[in-house]
Amino acid sequence: AQSVTQPDIHITVSEGASLELRCNYSYGATPYLFWYVQSPGQGLQLLLKYFSGDTLVQGIKGFEAEFKRSQSSFNLRKPSVHWSDAAEYFCALSNDYKLSFGAGTTVTVRA
Amino acid sequence: GAVVSQHPSRVICKSGTSVKIECRSLDFQATTMFWYRQFPKKSLMLMATSNEGSKATYEQGVEKDKFLINHASLTLSTLTVTSAHPEDSSFYICSAKPAAYNSPLHFGNGTRLTVT
Repeated sequence: AQSVTQPDIHITVSEGASLELRCNYSYGATPYLFWYVQSPGQGLQLLLKYFSGDTLVQGIKGFEAEFKRSQSSFNLRKPSVHWSDAAEYFCALSNDYKLSFGAGTTVTVRA
Repeated sequence: GAVVSQHPSRVICKSGTSVKIECRSLDFQATTMFWYRQFPKKSLMLMATSNEGSKATYEQGVEKDKFLINHASLTLSTLTVTSAHPEDSSFYICSAKPAAYNSPLHFGNGTRLTVT
């Protein structure tokens, strides 16, 4: 069975500081992994995805994620957060386009 | 870029009534659409997979007679919540898979359903 775990429910970070969101997965084959961001009352926006190849993936809005097979992880990072990065972040794993989502991490940005 | 329109964005209905939510792919053909449900402060749960011209495939625990899904064309899938109950109040989000191979999914902006 596939699953996605996001260990951190809520993270608070100062504007301009770095951000790292953790994601661990369980899957029997090579995973297709995604990070999505959701603003309150809105749908999901794709930040980045990993299918194969380079394990360091660049996304939109200055985000990047690194796939580490040995750790079953796909952590999301941003070197310097902006107040507009405050949102809910979901890691997801795809099985034939059906997405299994982690529980999400709420990011709060303080001035 | 590819756009998925979900309508309505918010709907309030009374218990016992039915409400229909539409998911349209505006500039691409979607052979498959997915319907998710999101509870407050919770993650998204896949409800069903909707394939154009065939019956939807429901995930375990989702009542197919309560959540009717129709995918009548390559650009439109609808989710009808029948005999709505306050427990059905939730945020419903659709996603659409373009027909092109290996294209990413595109999500609608969701529908907030409140059943009173």
